[in-house]
Amino acid sequence: DIVMTQSPDSLAVSLGERATINCKSSQNVLYSSNNKNYLTWHQQKPGQPPKVLINWASTRESGVPDRFSGSGSGTDFTLTISSLQAEDVAVYYCQQHYSTPFTFGPGTKVDIK
Amino acid sequence: EVQLLESGGGLVQPGGSLRLSCAASGFIFSTYAMTWVRQAPGKGLEWVSVISGSGDTTYNADSVQGRFTISRDNSKNTLYLQMNSLRAEDTAIYYCAKVSGDACYYPIHYWGQGTLVTVSS
Repeated sequence: DIVMTQSPDSLAVSLGERATINCKSSQNVLYSSNNKNYLTWHQQKPGQPPKVLINWASTRESGVPDRFSGSGSGTDFTLTISSLQAEDVAVYYCQQHYSTPFTFGPGTKVDIK
Repeated sequence: EVQLLESGGGLVQPGGSLRLSCAASGFIFSTYAMTWVRQAPGKGLEWVSVISGSGDTTYNADSVQGRFTISRDNSKNTLYLQMNSLRAEDTAIYYCAKVSGDACYYPIHYWGQGTLVTVSS
């Protein structure tokens, strides 16, 4: 199984400041035939179901604010919130869909400092 | 507008069975793979099962293999999860989610609201 790890476990950032979350997979999730990273970022706000933010490691879903961006390839990925807003308080999960089981990272909790 | 409405959750005794349903609307159901993901109380997300758009390909997590069966009825636009031999550790909110393509290896695109399953005597 591919093990997904995230760092940090939690972080507190001032409003308007940058938040950076790292995700690492134990195996490569870049599919060479189509050059796509099989990596998704999900956001889960308190008391709500998750929501997809970014697919293929760097493609924002429709309607997702452009302050959210994803980067990385292979085994190392980053989710960046360029200017944290109050509504961004949530737990953020990375997930690989390269091979079954499609494992999630443990989550990173983002709060306001 | 995509809508996914889960139902069938509730309280069940250890060893019992439950069938979850997910009614889909707002898209051509048969052309998208669908998946189940669960979340134990206060815990993170755990992938459970996925099924292709046609229904001919499925994959399960080891933790549910042999006990849970994912299926779909494309004529009814409905996804199912048959859960047998339930254990206390199966207690969780179960989410159905739409995948962004017809094959199992496409990413999740949209989540349902979830249904709570509690396994307890």
